[in-house]
Amino acid sequence: DVKVTQSSRYLVKRTGEKVFLECVQDMDHENMFWYRQDPGLGLRLIYFSYDVKMKEKGDIPEGYSVSREKKERFSLILESASTNQTSMYLCASSPPGAGGFYEQYFGPGTRLTVT
Amino acid sequence: AQSVTQLGSHVSVSEGALVLLRCNYSSSVPPYLFWYVQYPNQGLQLLLKYTTGATLVKGINGFEAEFKKSETSFHLTKPSAHMSDAAEYFCAVRKTSYDKVIFGPGTSLSVIP
Repeated sequence: DVKVTQSSRYLVKRTGEKVFLECVQDMDHENMFWYRQDPGLGLRLIYFSYDVKMKEKGDIPEGYSVSREKKERFSLILESASTNQTSMYLCASSPPGAGGFYEQYFGPGTRLTVT
Repeated sequence: AQSVTQLGSHVSVSEGALVLLRCNYSSSVPPYLFWYVQYPNQGLQLLLKYTTGATLVKGINGFEAEFKKSETSFHLTKPSAHMSDAAEYFCAVRKTSYDKVIFGPGTSLSVIP
């Protein structure tokens, strides 16, 4: 089974802190994604990566950056956390090719609270 | 721009009753369509997907969905609800094989004993 793990299930940070959310997948997938999930808004794509050291902005990249130094690891960085970044963050991965964007495998999520 | 609407942010059904979760999309071409389920404190899991071919798609846990192009709909059904079906359900659409997936706002399903 594909396994996508996220470093923390719950995280509490203060406004202005730099926050790192880590995601690791064990299926050698090329594509990795970071989403933000908020009630009533569904999932919104923050960033995605289709290869090591490659990244593409999603729909809501402002206030976030990402890093993909190794194929299995995709990190989301909040340079200076703000209260409006309090949310559930979901990481996903998928295999390459034309079908890669739809068979996504998700991690359990990190619920981040910024106070 | 693509959009996905899910009628009803919260649906309650009795155990053993029919489950019907509605999904409509906006697209000028037949898209790829998906239903994902999210159980409490877990990530999303693919329930079923429509790409091409048969418009009635069967998924896991007894769920199925029918693609109706004329109605731009992809409603999810299950003949008999089980307590374990209580979860959040997301409809998603992808216009072509190279586009991003667009998720709907989600429908929370409660199953009453």
